[in-house]
Parts: sequence; C-alpha cells; structure tokens
Amino acid sequence: EIVLTQSPATLSLSPGERATLSCRASQSVSSYLAWYQQKPGQAPRLLIYDASNRATGIPARFSGSGSGTDFTLTISSLEPEDFAVYYCQHRSNWPWTFGQGTKVDIK
Amino acid sequence: QVQLQESGPGLVKPSETLSLTCTVSGGSVNSGTYFWSWIRQPPGKGLEYIGYISYTGSTNDNPSLKSRVTISVDTSKNQYSLKLSSVTAADTAVYYCARVTWGVPGAGMPKDWGQGILVTVSS
Repeated sequence: EIVLTQSPATLSLSPGERATLSCRASQSVSSYLAWYQQKPGQAPRLLIYDASNRATGIPARFSGSGSGTDFTLTISSLEPEDFAVYYCQHRSNWPWTFGQGTKVDIK
Repeated sequence: QVQLQESGPGLVKPSETLSLTCTVSGGSVNSGTYFWSWIRQPPGKGLEYIGYISYTGSTNDNPSLKSRVTISVDTSKNQYSLKLSSVTAADTAVYYCARVTWGVPGAGMPKDWGQGILVTVSS
C-alpha cells in the first residue's frame, strides 16, 4: 500500500496569504494524484486531479504541481472560504489511499 | 448533474453486518465510464477507500478490511450497496458513496459524492 504523508499537519495563515501544502508518496504515483478540500459536515470537494489540473469550477488561485513522489498544492491568496482541511489521494495502484490531511486555519 | 444519496441504519450492533445503499439520480449505474465507490471517514479522522464496483459488476475492496466487504449493484433501481460484516467500534464512521470516472483524465478521483451517512457501531 502506498502511504501519502502530508505536511504540515496544520498551517496557520491570514486571509490574503499564500498557502503551500505538501504531499509525499512512499513510492512513485506518477501524476495520479488528486487534492480535495473538506469543510466540517461536508463531503470532500475535488480541487485538483492528475496532479495539476483544476476540476470544473475551481478558482484559479488553487494550483497543483509535482510528479513521482513529491506534490504541492498552492493557494495563491487565501480567501475566507479556503480555511478547511485538505487531503491528497493517489490512484496509482489499489488500494487508492489518502493522506492524513492538512488543516489550514486562520491565524 | 448526478446526485448520490446514502441510506441505511445509523446504528449497528457489534459483530453484525452494516448495510448501506447509494441511490443515484441524474446518471446511470450502467454507464461504462464510471466506477461506483464507497469511502469512509471515522469521526475526526482521515478518509479511507472501502472499495468500488464497475458497470460490469467487477469489484475491488480494500485488503485492510480483510474480505468483510461486499459491494453490489441493482440496475433496476439505479442503486448500489455496501455490506460490511462482523463490524466493531472501529467501523464507526461517516460512509460516503462517490462516483469515480475511469478511462479518462481524472480517473479514480471522485468529483461526485453523496452527503455521507454516520454509522455508529454500538450495543
């Protein structure tokens, strides 16, 4: 099973600041990596698929990069609605797994 | 716009079988482009894929669940179901159904999710 490790566990930032979230895979997942946003009481929302492609309707301030084992989700300028938990997920081989999450909270 | 809705008991006793159904509207479970999956999230914790079923009826389930999983599809009702046997308190979680594309960009990365249903395992 491929283990995805996200860092940091918590990121405390102010609105307007840039957020950089990391996801590292225990072995290569090529570009088969997604990022999700989850708010309390809601299902996850797909932000980025195949490492760098924004899902339909996702604002341009969200961007993804990386391949192989190291991936980054960047939020260029945090809006109030962006404070949430973010998960990465691979689908390189079964079982598909998620990282443990990074919480972006208000400083 | 596809919609998915989980249903089933919110409370299951230890050692019994958890049974959930996902009703799909705005799309067909017979579609060749999609897999139909179950994902769970224990309270305050992260996400775990349970398994999925394809339009052909082939399934895949997470080895960590030690063959306790059965996923099936009912095309006449446009639904698919999850059964998880021999449950313990560790199976207490919000269970989500989610539609997964296959064979196209973004395969295996669900965009469409149900709202989730909390299932508690307790006597």
